[in-house]
Amino acid sequence: AIQMTQSPSSLSASVGDRVTITCRASQGIRNDLGWYQQKPGKAPKLLIYAASSLQSGVPSRFSGSGSGTDFTLTISSLQPEDFATYYCLQDYNYPQTFGQGTKLEIK
Amino acid sequence: QVQLVQSGAEVKKPGASVKVSCKASGYTFTSYGISWVRQAPGQGLEWMGWISAYNGNTNYAQKLQGRVTMTTDTSTSTAYMELRSLRSDDTAVYYCARSLLVYAMSSGWFDPWGQGTLVTVSS
Repeated sequence: AIQMTQSPSSLSASVGDRVTITCRASQGIRNDLGWYQQKPGKAPKLLIYAASSLQSGVPSRFSGSGSGTDFTLTISSLQPEDFATYYCLQDYNYPQTFGQGTKLEIK
Repeated sequence: QVQLVQSGAEVKKPGASVKVSCKASGYTFTSYGISWVRQAPGQGLEWMGWISAYNGNTNYAQKLQGRVTMTTDTSTSTAYMELRSLRSDDTAVYYCARSLLVYAMSSGWFDPWGQGTLVTVSS
Protein backbone atom coordinates (compact mmCIF):
# COMPACT_ATOMS: atom_id res chain seq x y z
CA ALA A 1 0.00 0.00 0.00
CA ILE A 2 1.11 3.56 -0.70
CA GLN A 3 2.18 5.33 2.48
CA MET A 4 1.17 8.96 2.90
CA THR A 5 3.25 11.05 5.32
CA GLN A 6 2.05 14.45 6.46
CA SER A 7 4.12 17.16 8.07
CA PRO A 8 3.94 18.66 10.52
CA SER A 9 1.81 16.41 12.74
CA SER A 10 0.66 19.49 14.63
CA LEU A 11 0.88 23.19 14.07
CA SER A 12 0.08 26.28 16.12
CA ALA A 13 -0.91 29.42 14.24
CA SER A 14 -2.83 32.66 14.65
CA VAL A 15 -5.88 34.04 12.89
CA GLY A 16 -4.70 35.72 9.71
CA ASP A 17 -1.58 33.56 9.30
CA ARG A 18 -0.68 31.79 6.09
CA VAL A 19 -0.31 28.07 6.74
CA THR A 20 1.10 25.25 4.63
CA ILE A 21 0.71 21.52 5.28
CA THR A 22 2.71 18.97 3.32
CA CYS A 23 1.87 15.45 2.25
CA ARG A 24 4.43 13.07 0.74
CA ALA A 25 3.59 9.81 -1.01
CA SER A 26 5.86 6.76 -0.87
CA GLN A 27 5.62 6.50 -4.67
CA GLY A 28 4.42 8.72 -7.47
CA ILE A 29 0.65 9.21 -7.53
CA ARG A 30 0.28 11.72 -10.40
CA ASN A 31 -2.19 14.30 -9.07
CA ASP A 32 -4.48 11.74 -7.36
CA LEU A 33 -4.46 13.51 -4.01
CA GLY A 34 -7.21 15.06 -1.95
CA TRP A 35 -7.42 17.02 1.29
CA TYR A 36 -10.05 16.65 4.02
CA GLN A 37 -10.83 18.78 7.06
CA GLN A 38 -12.21 17.24 10.24
CA LYS A 39 -13.47 19.12 13.28
CA PRO A 40 -13.82 17.38 16.66
CA GLY A 41 -16.80 15.04 16.81
CA LYS A 42 -17.72 15.69 13.17
CA ALA A 43 -17.36 13.85 9.90
CA PRO A 44 -14.56 14.90 7.55
CA LYS A 45 -15.26 17.31 4.72
CA LEU A 46 -13.60 17.36 1.30
CA LEU A 47 -11.66 20.55 0.58
CA ILE A 48 -9.47 19.77 -2.43
CA TYR A 49 -9.44 16.90 -4.95
CA ALA A 50 -7.12 16.05 -7.83
CA ALA A 51 -4.39 17.94 -5.97
CA SER A 52 -5.61 21.44 -6.81
CA SER A 53 -9.36 21.42 -7.56
CA LEU A 54 -11.43 23.28 -4.98
CA GLN A 55 -14.54 21.41 -3.88
CA SER A 56 -17.78 23.32 -4.37
CA GLY A 57 -18.60 25.59 -1.45
CA VAL A 58 -15.07 25.61 0.00
CA PRO A 59 -13.63 29.09 0.60
CA SER A 60 -11.00 30.27 -1.85
CA ARG A 61 -8.44 30.78 0.94
CA PHE A 62 -7.85 27.03 0.66
CA SER A 63 -5.61 25.88 -2.18
CA GLY A 64 -3.70 22.76 -3.12
CA SER A 65 -0.70 22.06 -5.28
CA GLY A 66 1.76 19.36 -6.23
CA SER A 67 2.10 16.23 -8.30
CA GLY A 68 4.06 13.01 -8.20
CA THR A 69 5.10 12.52 -4.59
CA ASP A 70 4.94 15.97 -2.95
CA PHE A 71 1.79 17.95 -2.25
CA THR A 72 0.80 20.98 -0.22
CA LEU A 73 -2.38 22.42 1.25
CA THR A 74 -2.23 26.15 1.85
CA ILE A 75 -4.62 28.31 3.84
CA SER A 76 -3.91 31.87 2.81
CA SER A 77 -5.38 33.66 5.84
CA LEU A 78 -6.47 31.51 8.76
CA GLN A 79 -9.97 32.02 10.06
CA PRO A 80 -11.26 30.86 13.48
CA GLU A 81 -13.31 28.11 11.86
CA ASP A 82 -10.21 26.62 10.17
CA PHE A 83 -8.76 25.19 13.37
CA ALA A 84 -9.21 21.47 12.79
CA THR A 85 -7.34 18.33 11.73
CA TYR A 86 -6.41 17.96 8.08
CA TYR A 87 -5.86 14.69 6.23
CA CYS A 88 -4.52 13.93 2.78
CA LEU A 89 -5.85 10.93 0.81
CA GLN A 90 -4.39 9.23 -2.24
CA ASP A 91 -6.69 7.92 -4.96
CA TYR A 92 -3.95 6.52 -7.21
CA ASN A 93 -4.60 2.88 -6.37
CA TYR A 94 -6.26 0.58 -3.88
CA PRO A 95 -6.24 0.56 -0.96
CA GLN A 96 -6.80 4.27 -0.72
CA THR A 97 -4.64 5.57 2.10
CA PHE A 98 -4.81 8.64 4.30
CA GLY A 99 -2.01 10.58 5.85
CA GLN A 100 -1.81 10.47 9.65
CA GLY A 101 -3.31 13.93 9.99
CA THR A 102 -2.14 17.44 10.88
CA LYS A 103 -3.78 19.10 13.86
CA LEU A 104 -3.99 22.87 13.42
CA GLU A 105 -4.32 24.65 16.74
CA ILE A 106 -4.76 28.24 17.84
CA LYS A 107 -1.59 29.94 19.04
CA GLN B 1 -29.71 18.63 -0.33
CA VAL B 2 -27.59 15.49 -0.37
CA GLN B 3 -27.77 13.74 2.98
CA LEU B 4 -26.51 10.44 4.36
CA VAL B 5 -28.04 9.29 7.65
CA GLN B 6 -26.44 6.36 9.43
CA SER B 7 -27.83 3.91 11.96
CA GLY B 8 -27.22 4.26 15.68
CA ALA B 9 -24.39 3.20 17.94
CA GLU B 10 -23.77 -0.50 18.52
CA VAL B 11 -22.10 -2.51 21.26
CA LYS B 12 -20.94 -5.97 20.25
CA LYS B 13 -19.00 -8.81 21.81
CA PRO B 14 -15.80 -10.14 20.23
CA GLY B 15 -16.59 -12.60 17.47
CA ALA B 16 -19.99 -11.09 16.70
CA SER B 17 -21.07 -9.23 13.56
CA VAL B 18 -22.35 -5.71 13.03
CA LYS B 19 -24.30 -4.22 10.12
CA VAL B 20 -24.30 -0.44 9.74
CA SER B 21 -26.79 1.27 7.44
CA CYS B 22 -26.46 4.51 5.51
CA LYS B 23 -29.68 5.98 4.08
CA ALA B 24 -29.21 8.43 1.23
CA SER B 25 -31.49 11.26 0.15
CA GLY B 26 -31.40 14.29 -2.09
CA TYR B 27 -29.92 12.60 -5.17
CA THR B 28 -30.35 9.63 -7.51
CA PHE B 29 -28.93 6.82 -5.39
CA THR B 30 -27.92 4.56 -8.26
CA SER B 31 -25.82 7.25 -9.93
CA TYR B 32 -23.10 7.30 -7.27
CA GLY B 33 -20.96 4.95 -5.23
CA ILE B 34 -20.60 4.78 -1.46
CA SER B 35 -17.29 4.52 0.35
CA TRP B 36 -16.82 3.40 3.95
CA VAL B 37 -14.14 4.83 6.24
CA ARG B 38 -13.51 4.13 9.91
CA GLN B 39 -11.74 6.00 12.69
CA ALA B 40 -10.58 4.34 15.89
CA PRO B 41 -10.80 6.50 19.03
CA GLY B 42 -8.25 9.31 18.86
CA GLN B 43 -6.77 7.91 15.66
CA GLY B 44 -6.70 8.76 11.96
CA LEU B 45 -8.91 7.71 9.07
CA GLU B 46 -8.85 4.26 7.45
CA TRP B 47 -10.47 3.51 4.08
CA MET B 48 -12.45 0.26 4.23
CA GLY B 49 -13.90 -0.11 0.78
CA TRP B 50 -16.36 1.08 -1.83
CA ILE B 51 -19.51 -0.09 -3.56
CA SER B 52 -21.10 1.14 -6.75
CA ALA B 53 -24.81 1.69 -6.22
CA TYR B 54 -25.13 1.51 -10.01
CA ASN B 55 -23.97 -2.08 -10.55
CA GLY B 56 -22.97 -3.43 -7.13
CA ASN B 57 -19.25 -3.62 -7.90
CA THR B 58 -17.14 -3.56 -4.76
CA ASN B 59 -13.54 -3.06 -3.75
CA TYR B 60 -12.42 -3.85 -0.20
CA ALA B 61 -9.29 -3.06 1.75
CA GLN B 62 -7.18 -6.19 1.70
CA LYS B 63 -6.81 -6.23 5.49
CA LEU B 64 -10.60 -6.60 5.80
CA GLN B 65 -11.10 -9.09 2.97
CA GLY B 66 -13.20 -12.01 4.13
CA ARG B 67 -14.68 -10.10 7.08
CA VAL B 68 -16.45 -7.20 5.37
CA THR B 69 -19.38 -7.09 2.96
CA MET B 70 -20.84 -3.95 1.44
CA THR B 71 -24.27 -3.99 -0.15
CA THR B 72 -26.96 -1.62 -1.34
CA ASP B 73 -30.74 -1.70 -1.40
CA THR B 74 -31.77 0.52 -4.29
CA SER B 75 -35.47 0.31 -3.34
CA THR B 76 -34.75 2.20 -0.12
CA SER B 77 -31.61 4.12 -1.22
CA THR B 78 -29.67 2.52 1.59
CA ALA B 79 -26.11 1.20 1.72
CA TYR B 80 -24.95 -1.35 4.26
CA MET B 81 -21.60 -2.37 5.68
CA GLU B 82 -21.36 -5.66 7.55
CA LEU B 83 -18.23 -6.55 9.51
CA ARG B 84 -17.90 -10.06 10.95
CA SER B 85 -15.67 -11.73 13.54
CA LEU B 86 -15.35 -8.48 15.42
CA ARG B 87 -12.25 -7.81 17.49
CA SER B 88 -11.50 -5.12 20.04
CA ASP B 89 -9.44 -3.20 17.48
CA ASP B 90 -12.56 -2.87 15.30
CA THR B 91 -13.88 -0.37 17.87
CA ALA B 92 -14.27 2.80 15.85
CA VAL B 93 -16.61 5.34 14.34
CA TYR B 94 -17.71 4.06 10.94
CA TYR B 95 -18.56 6.58 8.22
CA CYS B 96 -20.23 6.25 4.84
CA ALA B 97 -19.59 8.85 2.16
CA ARG B 98 -20.91 9.42 -1.36
CA SER B 99 -18.64 9.36 -4.40
CA LEU B 100 -17.93 12.82 -5.74
CA LEU B 101 -18.36 11.89 -9.38
CA VAL B 102 -21.47 10.49 -11.03
CA TYR B 103 -21.14 6.95 -12.41
CA ALA B 104 -17.65 6.68 -10.93
CA MET B 105 -16.02 3.34 -11.71
CA SER B 106 -13.95 3.43 -8.55
CA SER B 107 -13.99 4.95 -5.08
CA GLY B 108 -12.32 8.21 -6.03
CA TRP B 109 -13.09 11.25 -3.95
CA PHE B 110 -16.05 11.17 -1.61
CA ASP B 111 -18.23 13.85 -0.09
CA PRO B 112 -20.56 14.40 1.72
CA TRP B 113 -20.28 11.99 4.64
CA GLY B 114 -22.76 10.48 7.04
CA GLN B 115 -22.70 11.49 10.68
CA GLY B 116 -20.83 8.36 11.75
CA THR B 117 -21.78 5.26 13.74
CA LEU B 118 -19.82 4.26 16.84
CA VAL B 119 -19.25 0.52 17.05
CA THR B 120 -17.82 -0.66 20.35
CA VAL B 121 -16.44 -4.19 20.62
CA SER B 122 -16.09 -5.29 24.20
CA SER B 123 -16.58 -8.43 26.25
